[in-house]
Amino acid sequence: DGGITQSPKYLFRKEGQNVTLSCEQNLNHDAMYWYRQDPGQGLRLIYYSQIVNDFQKGDIAEGYSVSREKKESFPLTVTSAQKNPTAFYLCAVRLSGANVLTFGAGSRLTVL
Amino acid sequence: GENVEQHPSTLSVQEGDSAVIKCTYSDSASNYFPWYKQELGKGPQLIIDIRSNVGEKKDQRIAVTLNKTAKHFSLHITETQPEDSAVYFCAASGDNFNKFYFGSGTKLNVKP
Repeated sequence: DGGITQSPKYLFRKEGQNVTLSCEQNLNHDAMYWYRQDPGQGLRLIYYSQIVNDFQKGDIAEGYSVSREKKESFPLTVTSAQKNPTAFYLCAVRLSGANVLTFGAGSRLTVL
Repeated sequence: GENVEQHPSTLSVQEGDSAVIKCTYSDSASNYFPWYKQELGKGPQLIIDIRSNVGEKKDQRIAVTLNKTAKHFSLHITETQPEDSAVYFCAASGDNFNKFYFGSGTKLNVKP
């Protein structure tokens, strides 16, 4: 997980509240990704960004938003529109032109 | 889009035995197939990968085979050890590596 910092590791939120998960990297990698992990469903892509100030929706983007204002940062906001936000969220990075995804340690969000 | 299916969802073996995890994919354009290992509470880590121009790849006790015609690939772990216990994910990606599609995961339990 070295070089990628996800925070917080655990987060509790009440229904109706927005919450932002942080992902910071010092690997100087161009591409950054957010995945959601649910038991028995593997990893599903929420959003990804190839370069600063540009990002694309993944397969389950509804109820989420992102920004990519700096190369090293790719925060994910889980909005109140996300119907089932309780999950384990993983940030990953990839060097442009390379094929290896490197993951952070994850953030576990629980909605009470 | 790509659909990756992974079996079995759980696998229990005795220490020293072999373990095999199988994945199928749907998109013939996919040509890169990594395998990730996720230990409890951590992010997934790449353990081995294979490209579509190769049929088999080995790295010590682990190997991956690919049948491009049948669109399936498998992970083989020989002489399993308790530290091999983890969740394993297969994935598929295309030429530009922009998006990775993951299987649903296999929880491997190696009994001492």
